[in-house]
Amino acid sequence: DAKTTQPPSMDCAEGRAANLPCNHSTISGNEYVYWYRQIHSQGPQYIIHGLKNNETNEMASLIITEDRKSSTLILPHATLRDTAVYYCIVRVPGISNFGNEKLTFGTGTRLTIIP
Amino acid sequence: DSGVTQTPKHLITATGQRVTLRCSPRSGDLSVYWYQQSLDQGLQFLIQYYNGEERAKGNILERFSAQQFPDLHSELNLSSLELGDSALYFCASSVGLLDYKNTEAFFGQGTRLTVV
Repeated sequence: DAKTTQPPSMDCAEGRAANLPCNHSTISGNEYVYWYRQIHSQGPQYIIHGLKNNETNEMASLIITEDRKSSTLILPHATLRDTAVYYCIVRVPGISNFGNEKLTFGTGTRLTIIP
Repeated sequence: DSGVTQTPKHLITATGQRVTLRCSPRSGDLSVYWYQQSLDQGLQFLIQYYNGEERAKGNILERFSAQQFPDLHSELNLSSLELGDSALYFCASSVGLLDYKNTEAFFGQGTRLTVV
């Protein structure tokens, strides 16, 4: 699985959009970008994933650059409850990827929402 | 609520002892994953089971073992415990293997193990 690089920490004002970057310059063509978050000591929570097109769901938007070497997770209107560690994960899904169906977490970005 | 249940929530035990952590996956989920998170450390993958069979192994110590039972619940056994084994242990489940259609793993709230 490709390595990812994320800033260790970020702050964002409550009500503003939080933009979390992730670099994955060695991503291969069949690797997807996943985002999970972990609110203090709770189990990680899935946010969104994508391959090359921008994706949006009720939680967030995912913007992937055209060369797919980086992506940005956008929380459009951050609230205090969005304070968490955000993990960007790049992996190949697929049952043919034997033994690699697991999620490999890096150190993530600690996002703090400021009131 | 993710639907994944882990018991117990907290466990305090002495060095050298053995403990068993239990995970009940979401109804219908065939895959179970175990992760360890030490204080201020990232999530370390330990082991994965799919429909009762071991599918992948991470950095799991020989003192640790796991299994998935016919009813799909899983247990993680930790023996000869050391102070450094103190951590949060998370279980996750997914419908099947994480493929193009099944993309999300659901995590439980974890078991906090303290070894004294």
